[in-house]
Amino acid sequence: DTGVSQNPRHKITKRGQNVTFRCDPISEHNRLYWYRQTLGQGPEFLTYFQNEAQLEKSRLLSDRFSAERPKGSFSTLEIQRTEQGDSAMYLCASSLAATDTQYFGPGTRLTVL
Amino acid sequence: QQPVQSPQAVILREGEDAVINCSSSKALYSVHWYRQKHGEAPVFLMILLKGGEQKGHDKISASFNEKKQQSSLYLTASQLSYSGTYFCGTEGRDNYGQNFVFGPGTRLSVLP
Repeated sequence: DTGVSQNPRHKITKRGQNVTFRCDPISEHNRLYWYRQTLGQGPEFLTYFQNEAQLEKSRLLSDRFSAERPKGSFSTLEIQRTEQGDSAMYLCASSLAATDTQYFGPGTRLTVL
Repeated sequence: QQPVQSPQAVILREGEDAVINCSSSKALYSVHWYRQKHGEAPVFLMILLKGGEQKGHDKISASFNEKKQQSSLYLTASQLSYSGTYFCGTEGRDNYGQNFVFGPGTRLSVLP
């Protein structure tokens, strides 16, 4: 257990529905990252926060994806109008600073039917 | 832009050595190495910062050649527990700003 928690651990939804995931980072960590990983691939960067500010979002990320970190603590990732191609493991990681270790949560596995 | 890792996969006998390479086309600030076992989240191994660092603990070490934008992970006297997929993550800067990208991974299998 790295101290990063994610909820839910599994989510099954129908195409077209909206889903929201939550990540609780290690409490003193300023940076929070969201990644998506499909089977046999490395984690794909989605976005990251420095405290409550969203500093970068992947250029490849659809507008259906949005993330927030309202008080610089927990973060939520929302996917609107889900598509079957959104099925993946969504990983959250946190770190103390930019070049520090990223500690990963257990992930949320999304299945879109 | 995703870094390139080589080899894609390697099979070792317990006690053998392996080298995994990671190279990028952009200037790098740091290289991170992670190991992921099937069904689990990635686990941190080490970070190397620009300046030509070399690090190691136990029988796993790594080097970072900033000028060549390359890093190598060295696994010596491999153990069964070393099996998994190894990812390098590179922090660098391109025309769009600073970003962090993982490589596609190298699958390592250590056999008894």
